[in-house]
Amino acid sequence: NAGVTQTPKFQVLKTGQSMTLQCAQDMNHNSMYWYRQDPGMGLRLIYYSASEGTTDKGEVPNGYNVSRLNKREFSLRLESAAPSQTSVYFCASSEAPGNTGELFFGEGSRLTVL
Amino acid sequence: DQQVKQNSPSLSVQEGRISILNCDYTNSMFDYFLWYKKYPAEGPTFLISISSIKDKNEDGRFTVFLNKSAKHLSLHIVPSQPGDSAVYFCAASSWGFQKLVFGTGTRLLVSP
Repeated sequence: NAGVTQTPKFQVLKTGQSMTLQCAQDMNHNSMYWYRQDPGMGLRLIYYSASEGTTDKGEVPNGYNVSRLNKREFSLRLESAAPSQTSVYFCASSEAPGNTGELFFGEGSRLTVL
Repeated sequence: DQQVKQNSPSLSVQEGRISILNCDYTNSMFDYFLWYKKYPAEGPTFLISISSIKDKNEDGRFTVFLNKSAKHLSLHIVPSQPGDSAVYFCAASSWGFQKLVFGTGTRLLVSP
């Protein structure tokens, strides 16, 4: 029962480097999300994909890009990392918009940008 | 603009007593509310929810109360157990849910 799997779990980058966070879910969910968690800020939505083939900006999209590769996979890319992007990133999925709103989260990816 | 607020960053309770976690929201369009629980080094997990047509929802030791006029909800845990020690996030959405808005979280510590 993998659920939502994120890779890598830890990453250290230098300012200006790029990287991609990978996310895959095996629950046949239509919607997928990327959140970041920062101290005192809670969970903030970066981007989401309501269904395969669509992506939309969340609260804090600047500096990020996403790709909904297929129904299972949703990746988050940092093209030029900045120290302000040091955070814990969570991928999540849900059955569909308009459902109960229950999200299933991955274990998180801790990113440090020096 | 924080649409969902949890004004208490932390709460300490003794085992067996009641834990009450509070959440306020500003957007009157929200009509579905959820609580998530998060342990260190894990992702948040869904705990309990309530829609705006109700004012109370129970699931075992967990009860969520909604006061729409005050735009306030609370999570009651009775009796509290040490395993309940975690960060609790309140979240809200509106009909045709596209995304959840989360609060900043409250760290609950239940001591034996």
